[in-house]
Parts: sequence; structure tokens; C-alpha cells
Amino acid sequence: AQSVAQPEDQVNVAEGNPLTVKCTYSVSGNPYLFWYVQYPNRGLQFLLKYITGDNLVKGSYGFEAEFNKSQTSFHLKKPSALVSDSALYFCAVRPYTGGFKTIFGAGTRLFVKA
Amino acid sequence: NAGVTQTPKFRVLKTGQSMTLLCAQDMNHEYMYWYRQDPGMGLRLIHYSVGEGTTAKGEVPDGYNVSRLKKQNFLLGLESAAPSQTSVYFCASSPSGTSGSNEQFFGPGTRLTVL
Repeated sequence: AQSVAQPEDQVNVAEGNPLTVKCTYSVSGNPYLFWYVQYPNRGLQFLLKYITGDNLVKGSYGFEAEFNKSQTSFHLKKPSALVSDSALYFCAVRPYTGGFKTIFGAGTRLFVKA
Repeated sequence: NAGVTQTPKFRVLKTGQSMTLLCAQDMNHEYMYWYRQDPGMGLRLIHYSVGEGTTAKGEVPDGYNVSRLKKQNFLLGLESAAPSQTSVYFCASSPSGTSGSNEQFFGPGTRLTVL
């Protein structure tokens, strides 16, 4: 079965420190990979995506993600966390041949402490 | 541009009542989606549409119906609400494209409680 795993329900980091939010996936073929962020009482906002090419993808608000094909991972990273980064982060995968179905992870809550 | 808007923002229903959630987008997107978000489960696709007049079932379609009479609007209906349908509902849209690489744009959500 196709799936997306975000192994950590919550990630805690101090402001100014680097952060990583993990995502691994299990889908057939080569997928498109996405990260979305959700602030309280808001809809999801697109952060970045991997389609093809360079394994390091840069996105909004200083976030980046590294695609690792052999480990089937797409971890979200930021060199220096801000308190305002505190939110719920979702990894999503769309199989290349999967039509319109996007598989979302369960989400990871990021808490950045001042 | 307003992006994707949803009406209403909150609703409380009694078991067996019906209601319609309205989604509107002003980005001229071909594709539209309805998701439900439940704690610890991420987003699950209920129904989607690839164009005006077309709809298709997603992952969890039972108990819901949809219509896309106009390109900019996508309606989600609950004919007979059940407590299991208590959730936050999100509408999304995306540009057309055969590759599926386009990101989705989400509305602010509708919080529905069924008593």
C-alpha cells in the first residue's frame, strides 16, 4: 500500500537552531513530493516541491528539503528556526502515475521556543 | 485575488440533517478537491473534479455528494449527517496539467460538528 510517514508527532527546537522535520514514503515509481504548512485555524499553504533534478529543493520562508531516492525520504530543513515557524507541517506525495490522488502524512507539529 | 474561499466557516448539525458546503476559487483552476482532516490522520480525499461538470470519488466518498456546475465552484453535500462526519473540511484547487506536479491551493476550512 502506498503511504507517507512522518515519524515524529512533534519536534521541539530552540529559536536560532537548525530544524529538521522528517518524511519517508512508500509509493511505486517516481513520485512528486511536497511540503505544506498549516497555521492555526488556517488552510494548508504550499512550501516547496520536488519534481526532478537537484536533490536539494529551496522553498518559501527559508525552508529547504532534501530528496533521497535510496532512502525514499524528503526531509524538511531550515538552518535557523524562528518562533513564527511554529505550525503543523505536512509531507505529501503524488505518485507519477497516480492520477489525482495525493497522499498526505499525518503531520508534524513544530514548536520553536524563544 | 481571494484565492480559495469556503462557506460556512463553522456549522453544527444534528444527526440526520443535511447541508451543503460551498467552495469557490478565482484562479481559473481546472482541478478542485474536497478533503477532510481528522486528528492524527492527515488529509483524506473525499471527491475531486477535473473540470466543469465532472466529478470523481476519492478515498473516503461514502456519505458525501458533490457537484461542479460552474468551473469556479465545487459543492460538497451531506445528505444525512452522522457523528462520524464531524471533521474539518478543506477545499483545494490546482492548475491543470498531465504531470500532476502542480501544488494545491487550500481554502481556510469548515469546522463541522455533528451531534
